[in-house]
Amino acid sequence: EDQVTQSPEALRLQEGESSSLNCSYTVSGLRGLFWYRQDPGKGPEFLFTLYSAGEEKEKERLKATLTKKESFLHITAPKPEDSATYLCAVANQAGTALIFGKGTTLSVSS
Amino acid sequence: DGGITQSPKYLFRKEGQNVTLSCEQNLNHDAMYWYRQDPGQGLRLIYYSQIVNDFQKGDIAEGYSVSREKKESFPLTVTSAQKNPTAFYLCASSFRTDEKLFFGSGTQLSVL
Repeated sequence: EDQVTQSPEALRLQEGESSSLNCSYTVSGLRGLFWYRQDPGKGPEFLFTLYSAGEEKEKERLKATLTKKESFLHITAPKPEDSATYLCAVANQAGTALIFGKGTTLSVSS
Repeated sequence: DGGITQSPKYLFRKEGQNVTLSCEQNLNHDAMYWYRQDPGQGLRLIYYSQIVNDFQKGDIAEGYSVSREKKESFPLTVTSAQKNPTAFYLCASSFRTDEKLFFGSGTQLSVL
């Protein structure tokens, strides 16, 4: 069964304290791995798509990487406005809907 | 502006009542989806549709129904059979099921 597990469930950082969020996946034929950011009471906002092991993408303080078993979302020198829930999802070769993890809630304090 | 619109933002359901959540998109996407989000549970798939007049059940379809009569519209009905409907409901769309999703702003459904 296809599955996505995100860790940790919650992460508290001080402003400027870099860290990483993990997304482990088991999927029959990975067609893509997606990262989203969600603010409270709002719909998720797309961040990145990764397609193959070794691929990396960056946007401001965020960098996403992909291996054959997991993806990391690295946050460099975070600011309070980076506080949000970060969701990971995968697309499988069967072409069914994306499978989401439960998310990591990040809190950055100044 | 292209986008996906959900309405209403807040909805209240009485015992035994059916309620319908609206979702409209003008992105020319073929696929549309409904997810339910509970605190600490992530997104769980209710139904999705890859083409007009066709849809598939997701992991938690019991107590819900959908229709896809137009490409732009994918309404979700929460029936009285859904005994625990209080949740945040998200609609999304994409060109294909293996591509990135665009989400609406969500509907918070509560029981009176």
